[in-house]
Amino acid sequence: AQSVTQLGSHVSVSEGALVLLRCNYSSSVPPYLFWYVQYPNQGLQLLLKYTSAATLVKGINGFEAEFKKSETSFHLTKPSAHMSDAAEYFCAVSETGRRALTFGSGTRLQVQP
Amino acid sequence: DSGVTQTPKHLITATGQRVTLRCSPRSGDLSVYWYQQSLDQGLQFLIQYYNGEERAKGNILERFSAQQFPDLHSELNLSSLELGDSALYFCASSIGGAGAPEAFFGQGTRLTVV
Repeated sequence: AQSVTQLGSHVSVSEGALVLLRCNYSSSVPPYLFWYVQYPNQGLQLLLKYTSAATLVKGINGFEAEFKKSETSFHLTKPSAHMSDAAEYFCAVSETGRRALTFGSGTRLQVQP
Repeated sequence: DSGVTQTPKHLITATGQRVTLRCSPRSGDLSVYWYQQSLDQGLQFLIQYYNGEERAKGNILERFSAQQFPDLHSELNLSSLELGDSALYFCASSIGGAGAPEAFFGQGTRLTVV
């Protein structure tokens, strides 16, 4: 069965600081992994995806994530936080292209001026 | 704009009532998913349709049902509503075949049961 654990329901960083949002997954087969962002009162927007082509994945808005099989992790990072990055971030996993995504519980990112 | 359209955006109804939420997927997408987002349960997968056929069920209550029509739009029917059904309901769509199953989400329908 596929599952996702996001460590830290709330993360607060200063503007310009490194952003690190943690995600660990469980999957019985090589997974597809995703990060989505949700701004207040909006739907989820795809930030980036891992599909086994490359372990370091670059997404939109300067975010990237690294797939580490040995650690079953897919942490999201951004070198320098911007105020506009304040939102909720969800990690998701799917074991096949035909199966629905399973989401983590989400991490709310707060960016302090 | 994801290309996925959900209507209505907001819905307020009384306990015991029945409502229908509608979703139009992105052009070309065959698969539609319904998710429920609430503070206590997070994002829960409800049900998936692929090209008109039910493909997978998640944590969907028996009071809830869905269908996907020949034009690929989908409807989620919620009946005998309870206060606890108040949540944000998302529809998402994807191509649905093999390969990366990234889903594109609509803006959601916020359901309030009073």
